[in-house]
Amino acid sequence: DGGITQSPKYLFRKEGQNVTLSCEQNLNHDAMYWYRQDPGQGLRLIYYSQIVNDFQKGDIAEGYSVSREKKESFPLTVTSAQKNPTAFYLCASSMSPGSNYGYTFGSGTRLTVV
Amino acid sequence: AQSVAQPEDQVNVAEGNPLTVKCTYSVSGNPYLFWYVQYPNRGLQFLLKYITGDNLVKGSYGFEAEFNKSQTSFHLKKPSALVSDSALYFCAEMDSSYKLIFGSGTRLLVRP
Repeated sequence: DGGITQSPKYLFRKEGQNVTLSCEQNLNHDAMYWYRQDPGQGLRLIYYSQIVNDFQKGDIAEGYSVSREKKESFPLTVTSAQKNPTAFYLCASSMSPGSNYGYTFGSGTRLTVV
Repeated sequence: AQSVAQPEDQVNVAEGNPLTVKCTYSVSGNPYLFWYVQYPNRGLQFLLKYITGDNLVKGSYGFEAEFNKSQTSFHLKKPSALVSDSALYFCAEMDSSYKLIFGSGTRLLVRP
């Protein structure tokens, strides 16, 4: 059963701590994306990767980092430089850049600063 | 910059009545447009898309959307709403770098 798996579902971060959110897909999709969702603001793009070993900053990349060493995996690290990290994080993938099939989304990770 | 507007934060409708969730887009030419639905604490699920062809697009769960190029709109519709349709709905368009640009979302509440 193909899809995107995000883990963990809930994550708590202490002040000054880095945390990594996992995103794995078995859809053989080339492109992967990370979005941040805040109430009333819709989805904002953090980073995206259209091929392995390459990624680009989105609209709100500051305080975040990513890697794309494998086609299946696109982890997101929320660093201590991100001053307001509490949000719902969504990972998505698409067959290829520009695919008119749109995106497939994971079920999200809710990050809370404690 | 490209943008997608969803002018209503919330839409309220009685069960059995028709519903419309509005969306306008900004790209010129031939846009790629999408609608997604999100249930609480879940990811987004694909509903339907417009790439080319008929202006009326049919999608999942009885939803449809009408593409209007002159008004740059892509409103989501359903002839008869269900309580289970209550959710957050997002309109999106694909930009020139093949990324999806999302609207701010519209919460649909269907009352029994």
